[in-house]
Amino acid sequence: DVKVTQSSRYLVKRTGEKVFLECVQDMDHENMFWYRQDPGLGLRLIYFSYDVKMKEKGDIPEGYSVSREKKERFSLILESASTNQTSMYLCASILAGGFYQPQHFGDGTRLSIL
Amino acid sequence: AQSVTQLDSHVSVSEGTPVLLRCNYSSSYSPSLFWYVQHPNKGLQLLLKYTSAATLVKGINGFEAEFKKSETSFHLTKPSAHMSDAAEYFCVVSDRENTGFQKLVFGTGTRLLVSP
Repeated sequence: DVKVTQSSRYLVKRTGEKVFLECVQDMDHENMFWYRQDPGLGLRLIYFSYDVKMKEKGDIPEGYSVSREKKERFSLILESASTNQTSMYLCASILAGGFYQPQHFGDGTRLSIL
Repeated sequence: AQSVTQLDSHVSVSEGTPVLLRCNYSSSYSPSLFWYVQHPNKGLQLLLKYTSAATLVKGINGFEAEFKKSETSFHLTKPSAHMSDAAEYFCVVSDRENTGFQKLVFGTGTRLLVSP
């Protein structure tokens, strides 16, 4: 079974801090994704990566950046955290070319910005 | 552009009664469709998927869904609800963007409440 692991389940940070959310997958998937989930809005794509050092903006990239230095690891970075970035963050992965296959999700990181 | 509409934000049923969670989609192509379930403070778990094979799709935990192209619907059903089914359910459409990458579009979710 694919395992997608997010390093923190809960995280509390302060406004203005630089925040790192980490995600690791163990199935050699090329494509990895970061979403945020807010009540009544479903999941919205922040960024995705299709290979090491490659990235593409999703629907809501503002205020975020990403890093993919190794195939199995995809990091989401909040450059200067703000209260409107309080949310649930979900990481997912899929094989390249898996256009019609489901993505595999981690358990999420619930981030609170005070 | 693809879109997904989950017609109910909340559905309440009694244990042992049928479950119906409604989903309509819009897609320019022949889509793939998924239902995911999310239990409190957990990630998304795949319930079932439709990828242009049989229109009636069976998933885990007794759930199934029927793809109806003429109605652009992909409703999720279960004959008899169990207390452990209480969770949030997401209908999702997948397609290949012009960039060549997969694009998932999520519905806003339906929270299923199951009472004893």
